[in-house]
Amino acid sequence: AQSVAQPEDQVNVAEGNPLTVKCTYSVSGNPYLFWYVQYPNRGLQFLLKYITGDNLVKGSYGFEAEFNKSQTSFHLKKPSALVSDSALYFCAVRPYGGSQGNLIFGKGTKLSVKP
Amino acid sequence: DVKVTQSSRYLVKRTGEKVFLECVQDMDHENMFWYRQDPGLGLRLIYFSYDVKMKEKGDIPEGYSVSREKKERFSLILESASTNQTSMYLCASRPPDRWDTQYFGPGTRLTVL
Repeated sequence: AQSVAQPEDQVNVAEGNPLTVKCTYSVSGNPYLFWYVQYPNRGLQFLLKYITGDNLVKGSYGFEAEFNKSQTSFHLKKPSALVSDSALYFCAVRPYGGSQGNLIFGKGTKLSVKP
Repeated sequence: DVKVTQSSRYLVKRTGEKVFLECVQDMDHENMFWYRQDPGLGLRLIYFSYDVKMKEKGDIPEGYSVSREKKERFSLILESASTNQTSMYLCASRPPDRWDTQYFGPGTRLTVL
């Protein structure tokens, strides 16, 4: 079965430190990979995507993610965390051969950045 | 700027009631989606629609139905609400060929008593 895993329910980081939110996937073929962020009481907002090309993709708010095909991972990173980055982060994948419908979402990782 | 709006931010209903959740998008998108979001379970797809009057079941359609009479509006219906349908419901839309531009509404937090 095609799936996305976010192994950490929560990540705690001090402000100014680098952060990593992990994501691994299991799909057939070449996946399209996405990160979304959800601030409290808000819908999901698109952060960045990997479709093809450079394995390091840059997105909104200073975030970036690295696609690693051999490790089937797409970890989200930021060099210096801000308190305002505290939110719920979702990794998602469009499975190969996916219909018009679905992205498969991970369960989400709560990022908490302390001053 | 794409806008996806949902009719209510918070809703409280009683067991057995029929519940309508409305979603409207203003960008003429063909594809629309309903998800529910639960802690530890992430987002799970309930139904999606790729055109007016067209619908397909997602991963958890049981207990739900949908209606797409107009392109801009996608309604989620709980025929007889139950307490296990207490959840956050998220609507989304996108063009059919743009996987990188799925836009979400703000969500409706439904409580069924």
